[in-house]
Amino acid sequence: TQLLEQSPQFLSIQEGENLTVYCNSSSVFSSLQWYRQEPGEGPVLLVTVVTGGEVKKLKRLTFQFGDARKDSSLHITAAQPGDTGLYLCAGELDNAGNMLTFGGGTRLMVKP
Amino acid sequence: GAVVSQHPSRVICKSGTSVKIECRSLDFQATTMFWYRQFPKKSLMLMATSNEGSKATYEQGVEKDKFLINHASLTLSTLTVTSAHPEDSSFYICSARPGQGPDNEQFFGPGTRLTVL
Repeated sequence: TQLLEQSPQFLSIQEGENLTVYCNSSSVFSSLQWYRQEPGEGPVLLVTVVTGGEVKKLKRLTFQFGDARKDSSLHITAAQPGDTGLYLCAGELDNAGNMLTFGGGTRLMVKP
Repeated sequence: GAVVSQHPSRVICKSGTSVKIECRSLDFQATTMFWYRQFPKKSLMLMATSNEGSKATYEQGVEKDKFLINHASLTLSTLTVTSAHPEDSSFYICSARPGQGPDNEQFFGPGTRLTVL
């Protein structure tokens, strides 16, 4: 069992649809980050959330950190083919020495 | 943003040989670097934490004699896969954390794809 459970693992949708990716844990995180990774490349940071209940927006992407800092969600509005990729959540536990624990990832495919 | 490079980007080697992968922070000093391994269509698994000037801390199940890590300077960490075997084939990614800045921000390298024949 992974410390951070991401769902769904795979998502295939049509351009223009909305989607939500979830990242859940029974542990409390001091911060949580969302990354997007293209094949053959390293992850690229999208956002960091640190405060329980925090909501951040990045154009069509909305990120939310749960009140208890145990879960997070990523919502994409009007998905575009350019959003296709692997989305990873990663959390830092308190006193973890800045070590990140990654979720299993959500592979998103947006079809034109 | 901060840039982390990795070299080589791809390497193919014969079974039994050793392969060295470099991770460099190009525009900042990194007191801590992390090495991850990623299998196809899977997430990143932390292998070890590398601190400049001290021994690396390995995650459970990672053989320290198999995966040698050297963090000799504030801008360079190396991962050497010794006596590589086909099961070591994977995508290896490093990340670096600046000595200053948000405590939990890591910058990732582009990865190195290792194929062991």
